[in-house]
Amino acid sequence: GAVVSQHPSRVICKSGTSVKIECRSLDFQATTMFWYRQFPKQSLMLMATSNEGSKATYEQGVEKDKFLINHASLTLSTLTVTSAHPEDSSFYICSARDPYSERGGLRTDTQYFGPGTRLTVL
Amino acid sequence: AQSVSQHNHHVILSEAASLELGCNYSYGGTVNLFWYVQYPGQHLQLLLKYFSGDPLVKGIKGFEAEFIKSKFSFNLRKPSVQWSDTAEYFCAVQIQGPGGSYIPTFGRGTSLIVHP
Repeated sequence: GAVVSQHPSRVICKSGTSVKIECRSLDFQATTMFWYRQFPKQSLMLMATSNEGSKATYEQGVEKDKFLINHASLTLSTLTVTSAHPEDSSFYICSARDPYSERGGLRTDTQYFGPGTRLTVL
Repeated sequence: AQSVSQHNHHVILSEAASLELGCNYSYGGTVNLFWYVQYPGQHLQLLLKYFSGDPLVKGIKGFEAEFIKSKFSFNLRKPSVQWSDTAEYFCAVQIQGPGGSYIPTFGRGTSLIVHP
């Protein structure tokens, strides 16, 4: 199956610094990638939808100036947490949408998830 | 807006017991349905998915799910669980949003603990 990687897997930073998380689709081109945040014992919360070559679409309540998303290529999307604070500590997960459904009209839309990035802000 | 409801937040079973996790969604149109599993310390993995056709879907590791359109449900089942099935299970629904993009909505998740 398709593989999505995330880097780094863990990051610890001081309050006020910025952290960049990379999400890569390794063996397919993803026109759409999603960024999620997972709080302990809770479901994934969709933060934003990242479309290659255009601005990301943010979900209600997610600060776009706080969580900068760049989808510069068909295999890479980055999430930058700017001026991180302890409340930003969380597990961030990306997923990439298999674009096969965009060829031939077949509806085989499936997301493949990255392993996640554990962010701890001190 | 669509929503996904997983009724069981915590389930505790003994090995060999049967499992059924409930998932209901609220949306009147066409949906794609998924079940994901997250083992302790690991990332989400796709268990099974439904797009169309046979409403009874077979997934990996002996799991299956049945789409009942009239009940807006997509319950996950396994006839005999194993200790290694201990994990978080997430139901997800995709609908076609504005511009043709598929926006996923996840349920809260169900924590399954299987005692040996």
